[in-house]
Amino acid sequence: DAGVIQSPRHEVTEMGQEVTLRCKPISGHNSLFWYRQTMMRGLELLIYFNNNVPIDDSGMPEDRFSAKMPNASFSTLKIQPSEPRDSAVYFCASSTGQGNEKLFFGSGTQLSVL
Amino acid sequence: GQQLNQSPQSMFIQEGEDVSMNCTSSSIFNTWLWYKQDPGEGPVLLIALYKAGELTSNGRLTAQFGITRKDSFLNISASIPSDVGIYFCAGGTGGGNKLTFGTGTQLKVEL
Repeated sequence: DAGVIQSPRHEVTEMGQEVTLRCKPISGHNSLFWYRQTMMRGLELLIYFNNNVPIDDSGMPEDRFSAKMPNASFSTLKIQPSEPRDSAVYFCASSTGQGNEKLFFGSGTQLSVL
Repeated sequence: GQQLNQSPQSMFIQEGEDVSMNCTSSSIFNTWLWYKQDPGEGPVLLIALYKAGELTSNGRLTAQFGITRKDSFLNISASIPSDVGIYFCAGGTGGGNKLTFGTGTQLKVEL
C-alpha cells in the first residue's frame, strides 16, 4: 500500500498568492482529515470528510481556507490569499471510517509564506 | 483547540535505558493512540487502546489506557538510537473519528 500521498512536499510562496495542497488517501479509506502542525499550537484538526462529505470544518481558521473532496481518492486544501502566519506543516490523514480511529498520515507539505 | 498534556516535554536518555512518558486530559476519552513522528515525516501509529485498563505491547513498546479514561502511558524498553523522535498521544471520543492530539514528548537518545 502506497499510504497517504501528499503534494507538494515543500511550497514557498509570497504573501497574497493562492496555495493549493493535494492529498490522495489510502485506497478504501472513507474518512479524510486535514491537520496543521506548528511549534506553538501543535497538531490542529482543520477539517474532516466522511465519504467525501465535509463533516466538521470548525477548525478552519478563516474564510481564506477551503477544502474539497471531489471523489474518494483526492482532496485539496486551498489558501487564498496566503499570509505569513499560514506557514506550517500541513498533514493529510485517512482512516477506514469504521470507528477504530486509527489515522494514517501522509508525509506533509511544508508551507512557507514569505 | 483542546490539547492533551504530555510529560515530560523532552527527555535525553542513554541507549539501553527504559523510557516512560504519559498523557493526561481533563476529559474522558474512549480511545487512546500513540504516534511517533520523525523529522520531516508525518506521525506513524504505534499502538491503539480501546478499553480502560487495557495494556498493549508492540515490540519494545508498551502502552496502557488509564482506568479513569483521562490518561495513558507509554513505555519503551531498552531504548536504541532509532527511538529518537517526537511521541504524540491522541484521544478519541468514538464518534466521527476525531482525534485530539497531545503536546508531544521529544526523545533524544545518547549513544
